Amino acid sequence: GAVVSQHPSRVICKSGTSVKIECRSLDFQATTMFWYRQFPKQSLMLMATSNEGSKATYEQGVEKDKFLINHASLTLSTLTVTSAHPEDSSFYICSATGTGGTLNTEAFFGQGTRLTVV
Amino acid sequence: GEDVEQSLFLSVREGDSSVINCTYTDSSSTYLYWYKQEPGAGLQLLTYIFSNMDMKQDQRLTVLLNKKDKHLSLRIADTQTGDSAIYFCAESRRYSSASKIIFGSGTRLSIRP
Repeated sequence: GAVVSQHPSRVICKSGTSVKIECRSLDFQATTMFWYRQFPKQSLMLMATSNEGSKATYEQGVEKDKFLINHASLTLSTLTVTSAHPEDSSFYICSATGTGGTLNTEAFFGQGTRLTVV
Repeated sequence: GEDVEQSLFLSVREGDSSVINCTYTDSSSTYLYWYKQEPGAGLQLLTYIFSNMDMKQDQRLTVLLNKKDKHLSLRIADTQTGDSAIYFCAESRRYSSASKIIFGSGTRLSIRP
């Protein structure tokens, strides 16, 4: 299957700083990318959906100024957590879909990034 | 309540079959998925079923879909200790020219000897 690489896998940052998480599709063109957040022992919550070259669409309750999403190319999307607070500590996962074959039916997930804000 | 619902826990004896149930609300869902998440790891797609199918079998996994009742189940035959994980049911919803996937709360499967 197609591969989505997410980086970093773990990051610890100080309160008030910003953190950027990258999501890359390695062997296909990701026309749409999704960012999810998972709280401990809870399900994945969709944060936003982004199409290459256009602004992301955020789910209700997700602050777009705090969680900046950029999908500048067909292989890369980034999520920047700005002015991070301890309550932003979570597991963030990206997924991507493409076109053709099974690429537009199956979402391929990154490995996830565990963010800890101290 | 959540749009995709699952029971939170399931405990089965090793070697028995596990059946994880899920209900969803969007009748226009085109695909329904089962994902597996092991502790501290990302998601692994186990299987998916197209909405016009009622059953799909893949080795030890059997997916049953009752579209009328919006009920999806995952059966794992001969459950092993390596099957211990959280299993997420998910549905795809059309969004513009693509689909977004909405997840259930996850069912934590534990195996007892």
